[in-house]
Amino acid sequence: KAGVTQTPRYLIKTRGQQVTLSCSPISGHRSVSWYQQTPGQGLQFLFEYFSETQRNKGNFPGRFSGRQFSNSRSEMNVSTLELGDSALYLCASSRAGPNEKLFFGSGTQLSVL
Amino acid sequence: GESVGLHLPTLSVQEGDNSIINCAYSNSASDYFIWYKQESGKGPQFIIDIRSNMDKRQGQRVTVLLNKTVKHLSLQIAATQPGDSAVYFCAENSGYSTLTFGKGTMLLVSP
Repeated sequence: KAGVTQTPRYLIKTRGQQVTLSCSPISGHRSVSWYQQTPGQGLQFLFEYFSETQRNKGNFPGRFSGRQFSNSRSEMNVSTLELGDSALYLCASSRAGPNEKLFFGSGTQLSVL
Repeated sequence: GESVGLHLPTLSVQEGDNSIINCAYSNSASDYFIWYKQESGKGPQFIIDIRSNMDKRQGQRVTVLLNKTVKHLSLQIAATQPGDSAVYFCAENSGYSTLTFGKGTMLLVSP
């Protein structure tokens, strides 16, 4: 069974640009969540999608958005990039219910110059 | 323990020793807890989980202990191996697929 797949693996952007990251969950998993990881703040929850609907949202500005497609694949978008957005962005998938194990992809390393 | 910026608490052990990694969680209402292992360049890897109606759970070479009275989790790794070297995170479930992570502990295993 394939794991969570994230593309691209690395991205370099400049301030003010926007970026779209992609995530394919484990087959059969209907929930996809996104996390930001930085050395200073650690792992922080961005948002979670289930059945194409955002079910939970973390404390991030509106520049961070996402969506989920009918096949459970998800994308996240960051607009008007800032230097502080440089981070490892991790996608995790799980079955639909509460208290389900989250399985993470390897992440997309975003560098904003 | 607390981490500041790039500095994670570090536990250094010899191969074959038992390791204990500790974690304090914040929300007394949390009912599900997970330990993850993260190696350099990879995403967090699930190790073991425990629900709040339990105080101990064992896996292969790993044991998680939960003390709800003091909001404390620990991960015990038996016969630690060099391949166990990684950063370990505890996480508490704050809702559907919404995890709040601890700052992490780096485990260094010397052969």
